[in-house]
Amino acid sequence: DIQMTQSPSSLSASVGDRVTLTCRASQGISYYLAWYQQKAGKAPKLLIYAASTLQSGVPSRFSGSGSGTDFTLTISSLQPEDVATYYCQKYNSAPTFGQGTKVEIK
Amino acid sequence: QLQLQESGSGLVKPSQTLSLTCSVSGGSITSGGYSWSWIRQPPGKGLEWIAYIYHSGTTYYNPSLKSRVTISVDTSTNQISLRLNSVTAADTAVYYCARVPNWNLWYFDLWGRGTLVTVS
Repeated sequence: DIQMTQSPSSLSASVGDRVTLTCRASQGISYYLAWYQQKAGKAPKLLIYAASTLQSGVPSRFSGSGSGTDFTLTISSLQPEDVATYYCQKYNSAPTFGQGTKVEIK
Repeated sequence: QLQLQESGSGLVKPSQTLSLTCSVSGGSITSGGYSWSWIRQPPGKGLEWIAYIYHSGTTYYNPSLKSRVTISVDTSTNQISLRLNSVTAADTAVYYCARVPNWNLWYFDLWGRGTLVTVS
């Protein structure tokens, strides 16, 4: 089974900071990776699919990159409303999620 | 605007069967080439994919749950159902239904609000 590992598990940054989250697959998954944002008490929301394609309606400060085994989600300028847990998910085969990265405001 | 709403048994006794329904409003579950999935999240933990169904009835299951789970679709009522039998406390979670925009690319572009199921 392919495992998805996210790092860091949590981070604290200031408003306006550039924030980078990492997701690593235990085997190559090409570009079959999605990112989700989950705010407290809410359902996850799709941000990015195909590793770098921004879902309609998602602010352009979010971007994704990578292929194969290493992927990143970047928030170019962190906003207070971005406080959430972010999950990556591979979908080249049976869907598997990473364990999440919790983003907080410093 | 398509919306998903989960409902079902909120409290289930150990060894019994969990039954949930996802009602789809604002459109037909057979249109757009969409497929559907159930995903769960134990309290304070991460996300786990459970099952997938295409409106034709084709199904796929998480191997770790396959022996206990059934997903089905009722096109006449625009609902997707989930049954999980022989539940234990480990099945306590918020259960989400979600839309799969492409039958062969299983990411989830629309989610319901989720429903908490407690096994106790």
